[in-house]
Parts: sequence; structure tokens; C-alpha cells
Amino acid sequence: DAGVTQSPTHLIKTRGQQVTLRCSPISGHKSVSWYQQVLGQGPQFIFQYYEKEERGRGNFPDRFSARQFPNYSSELNVNALLLGDSALYLCASSLASGVGEKLLFGSGTQLSVL
Amino acid sequence: AQTVTQSQPEMSVQEAETVTLSCTYDTSESDYYLFWYKQPPSRQMILVIRQEAYKQQNATENRFSVNFQKAAKSFSLKISDSQLGDAAMYFCAYRSWGGSEKLVFGKGTKLTVNP
Repeated sequence: DAGVTQSPTHLIKTRGQQVTLRCSPISGHKSVSWYQQVLGQGPQFIFQYYEKEERGRGNFPDRFSARQFPNYSSELNVNALLLGDSALYLCASSLASGVGEKLLFGSGTQLSVL
Repeated sequence: AQTVTQSQPEMSVQEAETVTLSCTYDTSESDYYLFWYKQPPSRQMILVIRQEAYKQQNATENRFSVNFQKAAKSFSLKISDSQLGDAAMYFCAYRSWGGSEKLVFGKGTKLTVNP
């Protein structure tokens, strides 16, 4: 089975633009989470979606939004990009939510904001 | 809010030797999960080992084992018979019992394996 897949792998944007990142979970997984990893730091939680509903939100501004589709894939949108949004964005999936399932990660999307 | 601290920014080990990576955390919760993830240069976060806080027995996965000290809020990772492929960033992470899938990560420890 394919793992968690993210697209694109790399992206370059300029300040003020908008970006959409995509994630396909492992087949059968219904929960998707998004993390931001700034260079030299551990990942920080942005969102979790389960069965198309938001189940958790981290301490990120409203410029960050996400959604989950009926096939459980997900998109992360970031508006009005800032230089500080440059980071690796990781997607993770799990079978269910809140029952101790293992989170499995994709290889991420590297976003550079110039 | 929970916090995770990894006090060793970098560690090195000789191939075939044993190394221990340290992690401490702060929480007021009694039930939770703890994890060690490995991030090689490919950037993918790979789950190494998981520990449920209610279990007194330390988790083990092949060459990887943990020393979980709940009262001390300590969760160290021991890698035995180190291999060149173990070289990576290692992150300790905390997750609450129930609720969202939010993981709280430490800043990581860069492990170098010398031949």
C-alpha cells in the first residue's frame, strides 16, 4: 500500500500570495493532521481533521485553513504568505481519532516564501 | 500546556555501540502517549517506538528500547548495536489521551553514527 502522499514536494511563492498544499492519507485512514516544521525545530501542530470535521487546531493565525474531502484527502491553505511561513509542511494520517492510533507521516512539502 | 524538552542537540556514537537519547516532558495529565520519531535527510518522520503512560513495562522494538520514568517525567531512547542507517534527527513527542491527534514535539537530537 502507498504511504501518505503529499504534493507538491517543493514550492516557491512570494510574500502576499496564497498557497494550497495537498495530502492523500494511507488507504483506510480517516484522520489527517497537518504540521509545520521550521528549520532546526520540531514540527508544530496546525490542524487535525477526522471524517471531514475539524478535531483540533493549533496556535496559528486565521490565514491558515484546511479541509478534508469525502475520500479523506486534505488540503491546507495559507493566505497572505509571510517570510516566516517558509517551512516544511508535514501531513500525517491515522485510522481513527483519539484512540491512540499511530500517526504515519508523509515526506512533506517544502515551502519557500521570498 | 504540555512541553517536551530534548537537552542534547547533537549526539554521536560508534557503529555497533549503544547510545541513549534523553527526553523530559511536563504535563498535568495522568494518561498520555509518548513517542520517538526518526527524521532522516529524506524528511519523512518515521515512528520508532510508542509508550502508553499507563503501562509500566518499557516498550521495545528490536534494537530500540525506552526507559520510561513516569514520576520523573523522563522518556529516554536507547539504541543498541548502532548502524549507519540510524543516523538522523530524533524527535521525542507527547500526545494526550483521547481528544485530538495533536503531537507536541521536542526540538530534536541529531544523531551521528561513526564507522
